[in-house]
Amino acid sequence: EVQLVESGGGLVQPGRSLRLSCAASGITFDDYAMHWVRQAPGKGLEWVSGISWNSATIGYADSVKGRFTISRDNARNSLSLQMNSLRPEDTAFYYCAKDVHLTVAGVIDYWGQGTLVTVSS
Amino acid sequence: EIVLTQSPASLSLSPGERATLSCRASQSVTSYLVWYQQKPGQAPRLLIYDASNRATGIPARFSGSGSGTDFTLTISSLEPEDFAVYYCQQRSNWPFTFGPGTKVDIK
Repeated sequence: EVQLVESGGGLVQPGRSLRLSCAASGITFDDYAMHWVRQAPGKGLEWVSGISWNSATIGYADSVKGRFTISRDNARNSLSLQMNSLRPEDTAFYYCAKDVHLTVAGVIDYWGQGTLVTVSS
Repeated sequence: EIVLTQSPASLSLSPGERATLSCRASQSVTSYLVWYQQKPGQAPRLLIYDASNRATGIPARFSGSGSGTDFTLTISSLEPEDFAVYYCQQRSNWPFTFGPGTKVDIK
């Protein structure tokens, strides 16, 4: 069974940093690209970032470019999102998600349950 | 970035009825259009990829069509478990983008 378990969410002040992690199991982690997708409470989905199996290809939404950094550790089956200079509009549930391909194809077949990030003073 | 528009925003139907959901892109995405279903309190579920290909385990009552800028998700006969929000997503250009969603609720 595929499991993606996010951690690291919480309440943070504007301008501060937070690091999200995702632990993957039930898959051969380095066979797949991975993504972060977020959803503000009661709102729609927003793709945040994606990373290929070997970290060679990385992409970001315009709204987070220059502030967020995605990374992965294939030896530990883990995905991370370093979020700097956080803004109130970054408040959302952050989902760790698996692509169907090695490359960042953009077809997501498994999602975690999400971790809530709240940016507020 | 490519903007996706979904219509209608909401749809009230009865079980057994046919649902037709639309997704329009601000520029061509060829066939690189994906559909997801999301129920309250749950993560999204992959339904259709590349406009018309059903994902593993998705019932045949779900079908997708379209190319270029206009796409349709059809649920041929609604089951009680189909009442949810449906999102389209383009994977043609980075950054990937989602539509705002269509909520299908029980009439």
